[in-house]
Amino acid sequence: QQQVKQSPQSLIVQKGGISIINCAYENTAFDYFPWYQQFPGKGPALLIAIRPDVSEKKEGRFTISFNKSAKQFSLHIMDSQPGDSATYFCAASTGTASKLTFGTGTRLQVTL
Amino acid sequence: GAVVSQHPSWVICKSGTSVKIECRSLDFQATTMFWYRQFPKQSLMLMATSNEGSKATYEQGVEKDKFLINHASLTLSTLTVTSAHPEDSSFYICSAVWGANQPQHFGDGTRLSIL
Repeated sequence: QQQVKQSPQSLIVQKGGISIINCAYENTAFDYFPWYQQFPGKGPALLIAIRPDVSEKKEGRFTISFNKSAKQFSLHIMDSQPGDSATYFCAASTGTASKLTFGTGTRLQVTL
Repeated sequence: GAVVSQHPSWVICKSGTSVKIECRSLDFQATTMFWYRQFPKQSLMLMATSNEGSKATYEQGVEKDKFLINHASLTLSTLTVTSAHPEDSSFYICSAVWGANQPQHFGDGTRLSIL
């Protein structure tokens, strides 16, 4: 019940395209859903986060869509750039500052 | 703001030795710090949660006598891997928060290689 399932495992997108990564959770107590970006040899960096009281949040080229009834949320990266090539993790927790349960990660490659 | 620093960034040591990893919050006081382990091409797995001045809470399956965590101040937590063996080789990452409604901010990790 604590798992967060993430797909796809890897993704190749052309420059300028839209990258979409999906996550699903089981634990209805989760109320905070962040997305992290990780480059090789570095720690994860917070990209954007959402709470279940809204269905969508946008920050620049990054958008989270949240479907509470389906217990799913997704990250959309618009106008994908080669610099976006990294591993993306969704996560969930009960409370903003509480321990995070991470998805399995998606390795994104943006080609020229 | 919200910078978390880890030291060392990379350490190689012989099997049987103990290794200490430091995690510092540079520009805020961390009420809680977390320690994660990440194997190559895998996700982050929480090892323990650490609150300043109290004992760490370990996740199921994590040996507390092997992975000693000390959170002596609001800006420093340490993870000591005791009697390290090759299977302990991994990427260890800490994170810190400064309030109940604040997100976790991560350090850049420590790559531990046990020969």
